Amino acid sequence: NAGVMQNPRHLVRRRGQEARLRCSPMKGHSHVYWYRQLPEEGLKFMVYLQKENIIDESGMPKERFSAEFPKEGPSILRIQQVVRGDSAAYFCASSSGLYTDTQYFGPGTRLTVL
Amino acid sequence: QQQVKQSPQSLIVQKGGISIINCAYENTAFDYFPWYQQFPGKGPALLIAIRPDVSEKKEGRFTISFNKSAKQFSLHIMDSQPGDSATYFCAASISAGGTSYGKLTFGQGTILTVHP
Repeated sequence: NAGVMQNPRHLVRRRGQEARLRCSPMKGHSHVYWYRQLPEEGLKFMVYLQKENIIDESGMPKERFSAEFPKEGPSILRIQQVVRGDSAAYFCASSSGLYTDTQYFGPGTRLTVL
Repeated sequence: QQQVKQSPQSLIVQKGGISIINCAYENTAFDYFPWYQQFPGKGPALLIAIRPDVSEKKEGRFTISFNKSAKQFSLHIMDSQPGDSATYFCAASISAGGTSYGKLTFGQGTILTVHP
């Protein structure tokens, strides 16, 4: 009985490289949220996806960041040309349906940009 | 208008004491208020949640008090234990069925330390 899974748990990248973060929602969940947690801050919403659709990306930086949730496979948050300011913990959460408020969080991916 | 302000930033309590964490919000459209507990290196875990149609909700040692007119809500941890030492986040959202899609707005977090 797996909860929300994220990998990798830790990711180190040099400035200018690409980072790919994966999230597999809980079984039966088709709604995924991505949040970013900067050091000693609360979590900030980035993007909300359903299978094959980006529903709300109002919290995503306009450049370098993209997200997808394909019909098969995990949701992916992609950061191109990473900069030091991208260093943070990235969490995904899943929920079971459009009218369900409860979100279950994964363990996060801690991205360090050197 | 989307902010949720949380206080205190840190809290030290003796074992057996009561821990109280407060949050205030601005957006009156918020109608779902969860609290999350986060241990170092882990993801946030849902602790308890409340909707504005009730003023209090209790689950075991954890109680949420909600004051709609003041736009404030608080978490009370009774008989605090060393194992409760963690970071606590309040959050708020507009119900998932609307155009805000249930995205959570989090407070800044409170680091709770319970001394044995």
